[in-house]
Amino acid sequence: DTAVSQTPKYLVTQMGNDKSIKCEQNLGHDTMYWYKQDSKKFLKIMFSYNNKELIINETVPNRFSPKSPDKAHLNLHINSLELGDSAVYFCASSQANEYNEQFFGPGTRLTVL
Amino acid sequence: KNQVEQSPQSLIILEGKNCTLQCNYTVSPFSNLRWYKQDTGRGPVSLTIMTFSENTKSNGRYTATLDADTKQSSLHITASQLSDSASYICVVYNTDKLIFGTGTRLQVFP
Repeated sequence: DTAVSQTPKYLVTQMGNDKSIKCEQNLGHDTMYWYKQDSKKFLKIMFSYNNKELIINETVPNRFSPKSPDKAHLNLHINSLELGDSAVYFCASSQANEYNEQFFGPGTRLTVL
Repeated sequence: KNQVEQSPQSLIILEGKNCTLQCNYTVSPFSNLRWYKQDTGRGPVSLTIMTFSENTKSNGRYTATLDADTKQSSLHITASQLSDSASYICVVYNTDKLIFGTGTRLQVFP
């Protein structure tokens, strides 16, 4: 009964490849997010989707593209992977209210060789 | 500039001891402040959320305080357990987005 799930948990790939990370939430939330956590453990927001519309894009490279087939899913596609893309990527979701409490997935550790 | 700073960066304590983690923020406007716990290899989990009018909130052995005048918050952990070993992240919501601190890495040893 995981609230926010991500697949895969680990992803090891070569530079230049294209990969996707999937995220699903069963909380009925209307907003989903992607975060990147670098080696210094700092969480940085990349995207958020509200009712299938992109509402935040924090100047990430256009090699990264979020895709939301429905309200419960927000997948992250990455083209032409670079060494600097190695990080842990977290998906999160929240309900639109004054608290905006976000529930995070378990993370996907991406390693680009 | 919206910033959230935490101290100490890391902390080592013995099991059973208490500890306090600090968070200072310069975020405007302010909506709420939350503390997250992140275990190694896992996503952050919310411990407490406090709005402007709340100055203390507890969740079991975790007690968070908020001083909106000085823009400071603390997270007090009582009778620490080995399972408290984790990173603790202070996050401020400014009605538009979350601003994350860099976290305090806590290690509890037996």
